[in-house]
Amino acid sequence: QVQLQESGPGLVKPSETLSLTCSVSGYSISSGNYWGWIRQPPGKGLEWIGNIFHGGKTTYNPSLTSRVTISADSSKNQFSLRLNSVTAADTAVYYCVRDVRSYYYYMDVWGKGTTVTVSS
Amino acid sequence: EIVLTQSPSTLSLSPGERATLSCRASQSVSSYYLAWYQQKPGQAPRLLIYGASIRATGIADRFSGSGSGTDFTLTISRLEPEDFAVYYCARSPTFGPGTKVDIK
Repeated sequence: QVQLQESGPGLVKPSETLSLTCSVSGYSISSGNYWGWIRQPPGKGLEWIGNIFHGGKTTYNPSLTSRVTISADSSKNQFSLRLNSVTAADTAVYYCVRDVRSYYYYMDVWGKGTTVTVSS
Repeated sequence: EIVLTQSPSTLSLSPGERATLSCRASQSVSSYYLAWYQQKPGQAPRLLIYGASIRATGIADRFSGSGSGTDFTLTISRLEPEDFAVYYCARSPTFGPGTKVDIK
């Protein structure tokens, strides 16, 4: 059974960098698939942040591309998100996902989510 | 960029009733790429349907998806108490704004 678990600080100061890690169990991220991040501001819908393919190729939401970096560490079976220069608008629940893009496209495994608040 | 619109924004129904949720795309979408997700309060979204009409593993058969091109539909044949939630359509990586199904 594939499971994803987000971890990282729950509080980040404005202008600083948000850093989250997603630990994957039950599946090797080197085996394939894309691995991504989704966020959900309080009371709002889902926003795709970006993803990384097991070979290292990354794709980002154009609205965030200047501030986002997604990386992967196969030895730890983890992938990570860094979001620079955060503001209050980056306050959200952040989910990591397995992003299947083969014959079909869908996100079939989600972490439970971690709440990040941007505040001084 | 594809924009997804969902209607209605809120659907108020009683348990046992049929729910019909609509998802419209701003341009034609391959059915292979259209998925539906369910999200309950305080929980992560859960994949319900992919390929526009294929139920994900473990999803009850009262959930069905249909449609093609720009118009897609999620139908819940008979609402169970646990089905009251927000439903999102998606054409990866874009999500629609969601339809909230609440208890009438």
